[in-house]
Amino acid sequence: GAVVSQHPSRVICKSGTSVKIECRSLDFQATTMFWYRQFPKQSLMLMATSNEGSKATYEQGVEKDKFLINHASLTLSTLTVTSAHPEDSSFYICSARRGSVGGNVLTFGAGSRLTVL
Amino acid sequence: GENVEQHPSTLSVQEGDSAVIKCTYSDSASNYFPWYKQELGKRPQLIIDIRSNVGEKKDQRIAVTLNKTAKHFSLHITETQPEDSAVYFCAASYSGGSNYKLTFGKGTLLTVNP
Repeated sequence: GAVVSQHPSRVICKSGTSVKIECRSLDFQATTMFWYRQFPKQSLMLMATSNEGSKATYEQGVEKDKFLINHASLTLSTLTVTSAHPEDSSFYICSARRGSVGGNVLTFGAGSRLTVL
Repeated sequence: GENVEQHPSTLSVQEGDSAVIKCTYSDSASNYFPWYKQELGKRPQLIIDIRSNVGEKKDQRIAVTLNKTAKHFSLHITETQPEDSAVYFCAASYSGGSNYKLTFGKGTLLTVNP
């Protein structure tokens, strides 16, 4: 159990376009989902916390108008990188918390590698 | 906020030897400490975790110890195998809030040489 699906796994886009990444909990309801960004050979940096039915909480330094997060249901959160630029190229990973059942335990998606040309 | 320091950044061992990775945290309220293994280009996988009411936890070749007073916790891998080669991340969080936000260490690249 506790499977998180993330799509797309890879995406290449032109500068100035927007890209949407989906994160789905397949076999559980995720009250909270987290979005991370990971640069090569670096750690996971939390971008924002997404709670179902409410606005996302962004970490300091993360532009909320740049990285739009929507958590419309208990099984789906989306991250939209708006007007993408080459510096937005990175590995984006979501994770989901399984409500009170799972406590702190997070399950990660497989990640999405974004390349902006 | 929480700050997690992880050492060493790289670790190379011979197959069969033990590997130890250490982390310290700053927020005394943190009470959950997971360890993740991440292979290149793949998702982090939870390998073991420990809560603050326990000092040590073991799962086959992997063990984690926690010293709440000193605010540090360690991952121990015994009888290392080449497939243990990966990046390992420690993390800390507080479960008293509503979000259980994890703060990660910078990672340790473990290489097990056959």
